[in-house]
Amino acid sequence: EAQVTQNPRYLITVTGKKLTVTCSQNMNHEYMSWYRQDPGLGLRQIYYSMNVEVTDKGDVPEGYKVSRKEKRNFPLILESPSPNQTSLYFCASSSRRTGVNTGELFFGEGSRLTVL
Amino acid sequence: AQSVAQPEDQVNVAEGNPLTVKCTYSVSGNPYLFWYVQYPNRGLQFLLKYITGDNLVKGSYGFEAEFNKSQTSFHLKKPSALVSDSALYFCAVREPGDYKLSFGAGTTVTVRA
Repeated sequence: EAQVTQNPRYLITVTGKKLTVTCSQNMNHEYMSWYRQDPGLGLRQIYYSMNVEVTDKGDVPEGYKVSRKEKRNFPLILESPSPNQTSLYFCASSSRRTGVNTGELFFGEGSRLTVL
Repeated sequence: AQSVAQPEDQVNVAEGNPLTVKCTYSVSGNPYLFWYVQYPNRGLQFLLKYITGDNLVKGSYGFEAEFNKSQTSFHLKKPSALVSDSALYFCAVREPGDYKLSFGAGTTVTVRA
């Protein structure tokens, strides 16, 4: 089954304690992206990756890091989490192949993070 | 820069009545437009998209959307709403050649029995 898998789904942590949210897709997609969802603001892009070892900042990258060492994985790293990073996070992927890519994103189930 | 506006935070309709969720967009070129739906505690699910061609696009679960270039709108519609359509709906836009999807703030749809 084609899917994007995020872990953990729920996490409560404290300020300053490093954490990683993993994301894996099994569709051989080149493009992967992280969004955060906050009430009234919709989804805002944090980082994206066009392919292995190619990453770039989205609209709200401050406080986050990413890496893309393998095509299927795109972890989101919070080096020193703060309360304003309490949010619902989504990983998404898309194909870049000519004739296939029309920008449709496939989303994971989300990771709800609370930073105390 | 591309952007999307969903002017209504909430839409309430009775079951069996028509449902419309509004979306307007702003892009510098021809838009690729999308609708997604989010059920409680779930990720976003793709509903439909407009890339080119017929202005009326049909999607999943009986939804359709009409692309109107002159009004820069892409409203989502369903002729007869179901209670199970109650969810959060997002409109999104991207420009050809760009992979970033820009989302609206979302519209909460409540269908009462």
